[in-house]
Amino acid sequence: EAQVTQNPRYLITVTGKKLTVTCSQNMNHEYMSWYRQDPGLGLRQIYYSMNVEVTDKGDVPEGYKVSRKEKRNFPLILESPSPNQTSLYFCASSLSVGLGNIQYFGAGTRLSVL
Amino acid sequence: AQKITQTQPGMFVQEKEAVTLDCTYDTSDQSYGLFWYKQPSSGEMIFLIYQGSYDEQNATEGRYSLNFQKARKSANLVISASQLGDSAMYFCASPHYNTDKLIFGTGTRLQVFP
Repeated sequence: EAQVTQNPRYLITVTGKKLTVTCSQNMNHEYMSWYRQDPGLGLRQIYYSMNVEVTDKGDVPEGYKVSRKEKRNFPLILESPSPNQTSLYFCASSLSVGLGNIQYFGAGTRLSVL
Repeated sequence: AQKITQTQPGMFVQEKEAVTLDCTYDTSDQSYGLFWYKQPSSGEMIFLIYQGSYDEQNATEGRYSLNFQKARKSANLVISASQLGDSAMYFCASPHYNTDKLIFGTGTRLQVFP
């Protein structure tokens, strides 16, 4: 089944404890990105990647890191999480960039930073 | 598109009736695309339907159709024969021309009642 898989789905952590949210897609997609969703602010892009070893900042990259060593994986790293990073996080992927490329989302990761 | 506007915070519809969710967009691009996503209470973001500005016919996917009116810059989602399982948040979105970042509207919460 074609899908974008995020893990974990739920995570409670404490300030400063490094964590990684994994994202994997099995559709051979070139484009992957991370969003966060917050009440009143909607979905905002954190980072995106147009291909292996090519990543770039989105609208809210502060406090996050990403890597794209393999085409299928695009982990989101929080080196020192803070309470303002409590949010619902989505990974998305699409075959390529440009018109007509549908972005498929993972099921989301609910993160609480205490 | 640069901006997506969804003016209906909430909508109610009776089961088996049709409902239209509004979406207007602001763009200076010659070519662009519009997406609709569904977010149930469980949180995942589910792709429903896509319309390209160059598509001559309105997009349809099962019970979902897009009422695309380019001159009015609107791309309304029509759900026919509503089901209880259609109760969810619905987001209209459009990709940024350069980065493919999705610009989302604020969403419409649809509630289907028996």
